[in-house]
Amino acid sequence: RKEVEQDPGPFNVPEGATVAFNCTYSNSASQSFFWYRQDCRKEPKLLMSVYSSGNEDGRFTAQLNRASQYISLLIRDSKLSDSATYLCVVNPFNQFYFGTGTSLTVIP
Amino acid sequence: NAGVTQTPKFQVLKTGQSMTLQCAQDMNHNSMYWYRQDPGMGLRLIYYSASEGTTDKGEVPNGYNVSRLNKREFSLRLESAAPSQTSVYFCASGGRDRRTDTQYFGPGTRLTVL
Repeated sequence: RKEVEQDPGPFNVPEGATVAFNCTYSNSASQSFFWYRQDCRKEPKLLMSVYSSGNEDGRFTAQLNRASQYISLLIRDSKLSDSATYLCVVNPFNQFYFGTGTSLTVIP
Repeated sequence: NAGVTQTPKFQVLKTGQSMTLQCAQDMNHNSMYWYRQDPGMGLRLIYYSASEGTTDKGEVPNGYNVSRLNKREFSLRLESAAPSQTSVYFCASGGRDRRTDTQYFGPGTRLTVL
């Protein structure tokens, strides 16, 4: 079983839409959780950490459900510039496990 | 403050050739990592170094060696390149982001083995 699983998409949404991504992880001992963004042919960049209480950064909201072992990312009021691949990342023991990513295209 | 730098950006090798990918960070991080990224596979950890002088295998270490030269530098060596090692290689360093540890990536090396 993979450490981290994501729906690869693609998600094609119009500008201004709200879109949500989910990610499940297998190791219940995981302590840290993140969402990264990766643009085509670029390196992954940290979008936001995910805290147990949930957290928000502008139009982005991340949630963690430890009981069900899943993480979510909600993007409100989508912009064209949000088009990218979003990677779910889990850190159990000083190793970071990456999902394969969910592709998002925001359409004018 | 350059963050994480990698050289070279692109490389083409013939089967059996060797090469070393260089990585350096100026963020004073203790941890450094090497990943490869292949279509449909996501990022997979090759080796990591939790601190200067230590290295550990990740998920896909076969065919690679690493050296943590000092706190700043972490190199990845392919002794005898194979076509299966055609990939994009990312180096990362680990540091504290507010409340949790996270990673910062270099721009990647695109390697083709013929």
